[in-house]
Amino acid sequence: GEDVEQSLFLSVREGDSSVINCTYTDSSSTYLYWYKQEPGAGLQLLTYIFSNMDMKQDQRLTVLLNKKDKHLSLRIADTQTGDSAIYFCAEKGSSNTGKLIFGQGTTLQVKP
Amino acid sequence: DTAVSQTPKYLVTQMGNDKSIKCEQNLGHDTMYWYKQDSKKFLKIMFSYNNKELIINETVPNRFSPKSPDKAHLNLHINSLELGDSAVYFCASKQKGTGGGNEKLFFGSGTQLSVL
Repeated sequence: GEDVEQSLFLSVREGDSSVINCTYTDSSSTYLYWYKQEPGAGLQLLTYIFSNMDMKQDQRLTVLLNKKDKHLSLRIADTQTGDSAIYFCAEKGSSNTGKLIFGQGTTLQVKP
Repeated sequence: DTAVSQTPKYLVTQMGNDKSIKCEQNLGHDTMYWYKQDSKKFLKIMFSYNNKELIINETVPNRFSPKSPDKAHLNLHINSLELGDSAVYFCASKQKGTGGGNEKLFFGSGTQLSVL
């Protein structure tokens, strides 16, 4: 089956690194994504990783993928107050419908 | 210019009523979706249309009926509203691609439905 799980809440101080974790069940997932949702807004794609990669870096963001353990993480370096939002992990299975399965979201709170 | 726009942003209504939420995208995308986000922030896909054709229909009560008059519009009509329908409904669109990871979803800002 398809299931994606995340921890619900993370609180960090401004300038620290944040690490948001995600586990998924579908071993046939081709791509995994991180989306960000700011208050009162829709989700926006932050970054994605192909399942045959184990790391991707994009400025302050680092995505790590452990395919064996079906574990995905998002590290945000030098976290800013503007990074406060809900972060959703999502997987795209092998279905050609393009359906994404989302986790329940991790609320990141950045304290000044 | 808003890429994916939904109306209304807020919808408050009584149980038993029928209501519609409209969605339009000006990105020229082929595929549109409706997602439901509950009070615990769980985001679940409901429907997907590709070029006016229904391609995903998850386990959703048949009180929910999507309608796509053209590929730029996907509306959601809900009959006999129930308390449990209260949620934020998101429309999204995506260009049908070749399967690459950068087929990103563009989301609308959501419609908060409150059923009293």
